[in-house]
Amino acid sequence: DTAVSQTPKYLVTQMGNDKSIKCEQNLGHDTMYWYKQDSKKFLKIMFSYNNKELIINETVPNRFSPKSPDKAHLNLHINSLELGDSAVYFCASSQGTAVYGYTFGSGTRLTVV
Amino acid sequence: AQTVTQSQPEMSVQEAETVTLSCTYDTSENNYYLFWYKQPPSRQMILVIRQEAYKQQNATENRFSVNFQKAAKSFSLKISDSQLGDTAMYFCAHRDFGGGGADGLTFGKGTHLIIQP
Repeated sequence: DTAVSQTPKYLVTQMGNDKSIKCEQNLGHDTMYWYKQDSKKFLKIMFSYNNKELIINETVPNRFSPKSPDKAHLNLHINSLELGDSAVYFCASSQGTAVYGYTFGSGTRLTVV
Repeated sequence: AQTVTQSQPEMSVQEAETVTLSCTYDTSENNYYLFWYKQPPSRQMILVIRQEAYKQQNATENRFSVNFQKAAKSFSLKISDSQLGDTAMYFCAHRDFGGGGADGLTFGKGTHLIIQP
């Protein structure tokens, strides 16, 4: 069983479109995150959700919105896609104080054309 | 704000050699966690090893060990008997102890490690 699963793995879309990336974890973790990895491989946190509350919201455009229907899911919705949004997006989860680290999904490569 | 610095963008060693990847970090906290993650070409982020700042003993996981120097804010990763499968990007990451568990990781820019046959 996959611990943190993301869909789709690849997404190619045109500028201006709206798209969503889904994430589900079956680890029973209480916190989920979205990270963005740019073309230079730099990873930066975008959001985290703990008990359905947004805890961290880094300086990302408001075109990006996380949606969490329950503790096991944290979807990422992106409006009006731009070329600069092209990147790999990772979902991750952790439990409590994350002593044992974070479990990552396999990533979604988003390409905006 | 926390920062994590990896000064080696790329390293290359021969199979079976030992290699050390450098990482320094900056934080005003006394308690925190440090991690090394591996990202092979498959893109998957894999936890290699973790260290809790309040533990003086350096963490070890099979061929992977760390040299944690708290005063110097240094956290290097040593890979012994390197194997071809160790070829990957390696990211050093930091997280403060507090925050109720909701704090994310701060990553370094990564070191691309290449193991030559």
